[in-house]
Amino acid sequence: DGGITQSPKYLFRKEGQNVTLSCEQNLNHDAMYWYRQDPGQGLRLIYYSQIVNDFQKGDIAEGYSVSREKKESFPLTVTSAQKNPTAFYLCASSKGTASRTDTQYFGPGTRLTVL
Amino acid sequence: AQSVTQLDSHVSVSEGTPVLLRCNYSSSYSPSLFWYVQHPNKGLQLLLKYTSAATLVKGINGFEAEFKKSETSFHLTKPSAHMSDAAEYFCVVSDAGGFKTIFGAGTRLFVKA
Repeated sequence: DGGITQSPKYLFRKEGQNVTLSCEQNLNHDAMYWYRQDPGQGLRLIYYSQIVNDFQKGDIAEGYSVSREKKESFPLTVTSAQKNPTAFYLCASSKGTASRTDTQYFGPGTRLTVL
Repeated sequence: AQSVTQLDSHVSVSEGTPVLLRCNYSSSYSPSLFWYVQHPNKGLQLLLKYTSAATLVKGINGFEAEFKKSETSFHLTKPSAHMSDAAEYFCVVSDAGGFKTIFGAGTRLFVKA
């Protein structure tokens, strides 16, 4: 089955620790994205990558870092500099045609709780 | 700049009655618009998208939406609600480059038996 996987589904960390969230896709998509979702709010873009070895900051990149060494993988690191890291994190991918009609497909999400 | 406003944070309907979830957008060019659904603690699933081919767009699970340029609206409708429709719905507008999308705040749909 083609799709996007995120692991783990639930993640608990102590305050001050860095944590890395995994996102893998086998859709052969060029573009990948990370979003943060807080209760009662829409999704906010953290980082996106149009192609391997390239990525751009989204609207709320502070306290986060990413890498894109492989087409299939786009891990997100939540650093200790992120002031309110507890949230639901969603990864997405798209063909990356640079067209406004490009559809994003979402993974199941990772719920991060910082204690 | 693009923006999207979902006019209701919560909508409650009875099973078997029509559903209307309202979305207004702002865009300086002809936009692409999407509706996604999210069930609790799940990822988002695409319901339908408008890309200027036809103003009435049919999606999955009996949902449809109509693009009205004069009203800058893209409301989501379904003739008859089912219990399984209870979820959160997001209206989304895509920018010209296609990489940065703007999400509405979401509308939570409750379906009463």
